[in-house]
This record gives sequence, structure tokens and C-alpha cells, in this order.
Amino acid sequence: GQNIDQPTEMTATEGAIVQINCTYQTSGFNGLFWYQQHAGEAPTFLSYNVLDGLEEKGRFSSFLSRSKGYSYLLLKELQMKDSASYLCAVRAGYGGATNKLIFGTGTLLAVQP
Amino acid sequence: DAGVIQSPRHEVTEMGQEVTLRCKPISGHDYLFWYRQTMMRGLELLIYFNNNVPIDDSGMPEDRFSAKMPNASFSTLKIQPSEPRDSAVYFCASSWGSGASYNEQFFGPGTRLTVL
Repeated sequence: GQNIDQPTEMTATEGAIVQINCTYQTSGFNGLFWYQQHAGEAPTFLSYNVLDGLEEKGRFSSFLSRSKGYSYLLLKELQMKDSASYLCAVRAGYGGATNKLIFGTGTLLAVQP
Repeated sequence: DAGVIQSPRHEVTEMGQEVTLRCKPISGHDYLFWYRQTMMRGLELLIYFNNNVPIDDSGMPEDRFSAKMPNASFSTLKIQPSEPRDSAVYFCASSWGSGASYNEQFFGPGTRLTVL
């Protein structure tokens, strides 16, 4: 089966660092994506990992461990505008034949002053 | 580029009525996806197309749902007859490239459907 788990909600303080975890069990693996979704808006792409390790992009970093079925999104120097839902998504399947993303239910992050 | 375009943005209908949602993908993209998002179930893939051909429709809930892509610049998702449990936000997304490479999906603004 396909299963992606994330915490439902998190709260953090402006200027701090927060880590959002994601664990997955899928039939095959061809990459993991993180998307950001503000209330009432569409998801927008944040990061992509296909190999183990850390990918850094400005204030946001994403880590992947394929052997553990685990990823995290790290947000540094939090700003109020970072309050949003963060969606973990796995591209499941084998080889290059699929482009299907399985999404977690998302983690709602509230940044407080 | 204008991004992925969806219409209508909001739809309110009564149970039993037919609903048609429309999507125009980003020009040049060869993959098109239809998703449904609810509080309870999150973002679920309904169906996706590659070069206008349906590849995986295993997420389509039942026969009341159908999707078409008559050409590279247009797709529809139809619900007939609609039921209150179909109330959700429906997103269309598009991307370029094969599943073997990095290829982010670009989402449209969504259609908020309410079935009374």
C-alpha cells in the first residue's frame, strides 16, 4: 500500500528554525517533493530529493533517507509569511514509467510573533 | 506564461446536477493531472494524462467521474450526477518531462465545488 505520514500541526516562533518530518511507505520510489500551500491557494513547489542527503535552497532545506523512508523540511529564520500547510509527496512506482505523486495530508505550520 | 488556468473558480450546484470543470495546462507541458483536496483526505490524485492519453485513472472515485483531454491545451473533469460528498477543491496541474527526471508539477488555482 501507499502511506505518507506527517504531523498535522506545528507552531513555531518568528525567527526560529522548524523541522517538519515525513515518513513514507510506497510501492517503489522515484523522488520526494515538498510543496507549500497557503490557505485558499494552490500548492507551490519547494524542493525535490531523489538521492540521500540534504538539499539546500535559501532558507529552506530538505533531507532524504531512502533506507529509512524518511524526509524532513527545515525552515530557517522563520517569517510570518511562512505560515502555511507543507505537503510531502512521493513519486511512487518503478523505473521511469510513472509520474504519479502520492501526497501526505500536510502539516499546518503557524508562525507566531 | 499565464500558468495553469482553471474554470470556473467556484461552482455551487444541487445534488443530481452535472458539473464540468475545465483546465488549460501550461503550453508545452505533456503531463496533466486532476486532483481533489478535502480536509479529511488531503490532496488525492484522480487521473493523469501524458500526451493527451489517460495513463492512470485508479484514483477516480466511481463511474460518476469522467475526464477527457481532447487536445494538448484543454482537459475536462465531469461529475454526473453530482453528490454532496463530491464537495471539494479540484486542482489541475501540469508538468513536463518523464517520470525518471525531476519535473515539478505546476498547479492551477483550483475550482471550489459545493454540491447542496
